[in-house]
Amino acid sequence: QSVLTQPPSVSAAPGQKVTISCSGSSSNIGHKYVSWYQQVPGTAPKLLIYDNDRRPSGIPDRFSASKSGTSATLGITGLQTGDEADYYCGTWDSSLGAGEFGGGTRLTVL
Amino acid sequence: EVQLVQSGAEVKKPGESLRISCKGSGYMFAYSWIGWVRQMPGKGLEYMGIIYPDESETRYSPSFQGQVTFSVDKSISTAFLQWSSLKASDTAIYYCARLIDAHFDHWGQGALVTVSP
Repeated sequence: QSVLTQPPSVSAAPGQKVTISCSGSSSNIGHKYVSWYQQVPGTAPKLLIYDNDRRPSGIPDRFSASKSGTSATLGITGLQTGDEADYYCGTWDSSLGAGEFGGGTRLTVL
Repeated sequence: EVQLVQSGAEVKKPGESLRISCKGSGYMFAYSWIGWVRQMPGKGLEYMGIIYPDESETRYSPSFQGQVTFSVDKSISTAFLQWSSLKASDTAIYYCARLIDAHFDHWGQGALVTVSP
């Protein structure tokens, strides 16, 4: 059971927008940077967002993220079928002294 | 180009030992933390811990402390994940990843470990 809570699944039509939430606490998201990862089934995870809201080079600006208090949100606009994947939030937990990932959210583009 | 290349799939029996590897290239391997992440079949990502190659400093997640061992060989830019006695519940894909500040920016391709009688 992860200390970071994500919805198990979200779905939307191509071209639409979707948001994925990640809820934590003051010992993790509240005081630590959040990152987001995309994992297309059968492949390794890929970094999408780091330091709460920054995109690595090569990640399109259709992907955005924010953090407020003890929660973070990933947003994806202009959905494409290629965006179908599992999305994970990640951060560090000072009470555990370790990194943590959310349980993951499966995105279906209908 | 930063790359992490992991060793291949393994099939082992319960009680056997195993060491899998993760070779880094395209950056100064000794000076970036390497993390290990487990993904059990059909499940999410689990943080196992990290190792700093230059000093072999290790930090294990409480869930994995005592269950696995991290090591490195700086001379060949390779990190290792080791089990002394595998269990069926160790069946999973194991990823290594480079830790930069608070995020994993590059990931290995994953190594499937299957433990079956």
